[in-house]
Parts: sequence; structure tokens; C-alpha cells
Amino acid sequence: DIQMTQSPASLSASLGETVTIECLASEDIYSNLAWYQQKPGKSPQLLIYYANSLNDGVPSRFSGSGSGTQYSLKINSLQSEDVSIYFCQQNYDSPYTFGAGTKLELK
Amino acid sequence: QVTLKESGPGILQPSHTLSLTCSFSGFSLSTYGMGVSWIRQPSGKGLEWLASIWWNGNTYNNPSLKSRLTVSKDTSNNQAFLKVTSVDTADTATYYCAHTRGTTLFDYWGQGVMVTVSS
Repeated sequence: DIQMTQSPASLSASLGETVTIECLASEDIYSNLAWYQQKPGKSPQLLIYYANSLNDGVPSRFSGSGSGTQYSLKINSLQSEDVSIYFCQQNYDSPYTFGAGTKLELK
Repeated sequence: QVTLKESGPGILQPSHTLSLTCSFSGFSLSTYGMGVSWIRQPSGKGLEWLASIWWNGNTYNNPSLKSRLTVSKDTSNNQAFLKVTSVDTADTATYYCAHTRGTTLFDYWGQGVMVTVSS
């Protein structure tokens, strides 16, 4: 199985700040990397797919980058509604595995 | 507008079989490229992909659950199903179904159904 290692596990940031979350795959996943946002008490929502493609309706302050085994999610100008847990997921090979999540809180 | 909703027993006893239904609208599981997947999340923990079923009837299961999983669909009634046999307390989780496209991207999720395995 492909292991997905996310960092940091938790993050505290101020409104307006820029934050970056990293995801490391145990092998090359050829940009088959998605990011999901899970707000408290809600279902996950797809933010980004194929490493850097923004899903419909997702604010442009979210962006993704990376290739090979290393990927990142960047949130510019942090808003209060961005408080969530963020998960990466590789959709390159079955079983499709997720990172453990990054909990983003407001400072 | 794509919507999905899971339903299930809520609580069941160890060694029993868990049966879940995903009722959806806004797409058809007979349309090329469409799929429904099942993902679960123990309380306060991460996400685990369980299984996917595609428009052509192909199914894919997570090998970590060995042969305990069966996924099926009723195209005419816009439903997908998941069965998990021989449940134990480790199967306690919120179970989600999700519309699946392309290379197994989960782009619409149901609200989830909480399942507790307890004697």
C-alpha cells in the first residue's frame, strides 16, 4: 500500500496569514493527489485534484502543488471558515489511501 | 445536483453483518465513468477507503478487510449497497458513500451514517 504522511498534524494561524500543509507519498504517485477539507461535524469536501486543479466552487485562495512524492496545499489569506481538518489522498493505486489529516485552528 | 444519503442499522452486535444503503440522485450508475465509493471514519480519526463500484459493474475492495466486503448496486432505483461481514468493535465508525469519478476522486459525499458495534 502507498503510505501518505501529512505534516504538520496540527497548525494554528492568524486570520489573513498564509499556511502550507505538506503531504509525502511513500512512492511516486504521478500527481494523482487530492486534497479534502472536513469542517467540524461535516463530511469531507473535495478541494483540489490532480495535485493542482481547483474543484468547482473552491475559493482561489486555495492552491495545490507538487509532483513525484511531495505535495503541498497552500491557503492564502486565511479566513475563519477555513478552520477544518485537511486530508490528502492518493488516487494513483488501490487501495486509495489518505493522510492522517492536519487540524487547522485559528490563533 | 448530486446528492447522496447513507442509511444503516445504527448499532449491531459483534459477528453480525453490517448492511448499508446509499441512495443518490443527480447521476446514474449506468452512465459511463460514474462510480460510488464507501469510505469510513472512526470518531476523531482518519479516513479509510473501503470499496468502489463503477457504472460497468466492476468493483474494487480494500484488501485490508480481506473478503469481508461486498459492494453492489441497483441502477434502476439509484442505490448502492455495502455489506461488511463478521463485524467487531474496530468497525465502529461513520460510514460515507461518495460519488466517484475519474481516477477514484470522491467529489460528492453523503452526510454519513454512524455505526456502532457493541454487545
